[in-house]
Formats: sequence, C-alpha cells, structure tokens
Amino acid sequence: DTGVSQDPRHKITKRGQNVTFRCDPISEHNRLYWYRQTLGQGPEFLTYFQNEAQLEKSRLLSDRFSAERPKGSFSTLEIQRTEQGDSAMYLCASSLEVTRTDTQYFGPGTRLTVL
Amino acid sequence: QQPVQSPQAVILREGEDAVINCSSSKALYSVHWYRQKHGEAPVFLMILLKGGEQKGHDKISASFNEKKQQSSLYLTASQLSYSGTYFCGTDPSNQAGTALIFGKGTTLSVSS
Repeated sequence: DTGVSQDPRHKITKRGQNVTFRCDPISEHNRLYWYRQTLGQGPEFLTYFQNEAQLEKSRLLSDRFSAERPKGSFSTLEIQRTEQGDSAMYLCASSLEVTRTDTQYFGPGTRLTVL
Repeated sequence: QQPVQSPQAVILREGEDAVINCSSSKALYSVHWYRQKHGEAPVFLMILLKGGEQKGHDKISASFNEKKQQSSLYLTASQLSYSGTYFCGTDPSNQAGTALIFGKGTTLSVSS
C-alpha cells in the first residue's frame, strides 16, 4: 500500500507565473485535503474533496487558487499569477471516510518558492 | 480558533520524559497528534475523541480532558527518533466539515 504522493517535490517560479501541483492519494481514500504550511507554523487548511466534490474551501483560498479532483482520484492545485507570499509547503492528505473522525495521512509536500 | 501548544520547544536527553499540551478555546470533537521531521510529511500518531479517553502507542500516550478542552501528549523514556516537531490538529464540535485546525507545533530535541 503506497502512501500519498505529490509532484513535483520542489517548484521555483517567478512572480506572476502559474503553477500546478498534483496529489495522488492512497487508493480507496475518498477524502482528499490540501493544506499550506509556512516555516514555524502548523499546516493551514485550504480545501477538501469528498470523491470529486469540493465540499469546503478556506478563506485563505483566494480567487487565484483553484483545485480539482475530476474523477475522485488524483487532485490538482493551481495557483495563478503567483506572489511571493505564496511561497510555502503545500501538503496533500487523504483519508477514508468511516466516521466523522477519520485519520488524515499526509504526503511529502510540494515546496513552492516564488522569486 | 487555532489551538495553543505548550511548550514551544523541549530539549531532552535520551531516557527523559516530556509532556506537550494542546489547548483550545472551542469545544472539540477530537484531537489529532502528528510528528513532523524536518523536510518530511507530518506522520500520524493518534486520535483522541471527546469523552476524555486516553490512548497509548508504544511509549507515547495521550489524553483528552473534555472539560478543559485540552489534550496532552506524553513521551516517556525518550529516544533519539522522537526528535521532531509535534502538532496537534483539532476538530471543533461546531464545525460541519472535517478539516483540522493545527497548532504552531512543539519542537522536541532529544540528544544522547
């Protein structure tokens, strides 16, 4: 059973460029989460999917951010017109919904640096 | 709404014990504990549900005091591998979704 995978692991981009990250959850996991983590902070929730439906979005998710999970399997997170403040580690987590309290398993993250 | 973790940092020698606390101003449905090593993904340790239960995992255990809305993580006879940053993630009772709200973390350093 492979864990959550994310691609790329590192991304360096110039301000104003668009970037897209991919997350492959643990197979059979129907919930998928995106979090953002900056240095010295815990992960901050961005959005989550149950199957292909995006059920919740944080106020942190500005109009420049969009996430999809088209077939209820992998997910992509796109950031348009990147800003230096977007520099962070973007973490993906997945879980299998059994009850409300499901365990979220995290991927290794994509570290974004905006120059 | 973000839970408060204390202390911010702990320095231990192998074999010593530590307690990390996580307090919330909101009523909680559950508390999730993770350990993260530098440059790696957070690794799940355990979940505590409201009801004041206590759980153990090898020499790491945790409790959840529902009255105080506080969870404590106990690390006994610490090992070098325990080093890392510990985060609590909380699930407030009044929240419809399942997203976790994480504290800022407690950095644990264990030396030989």
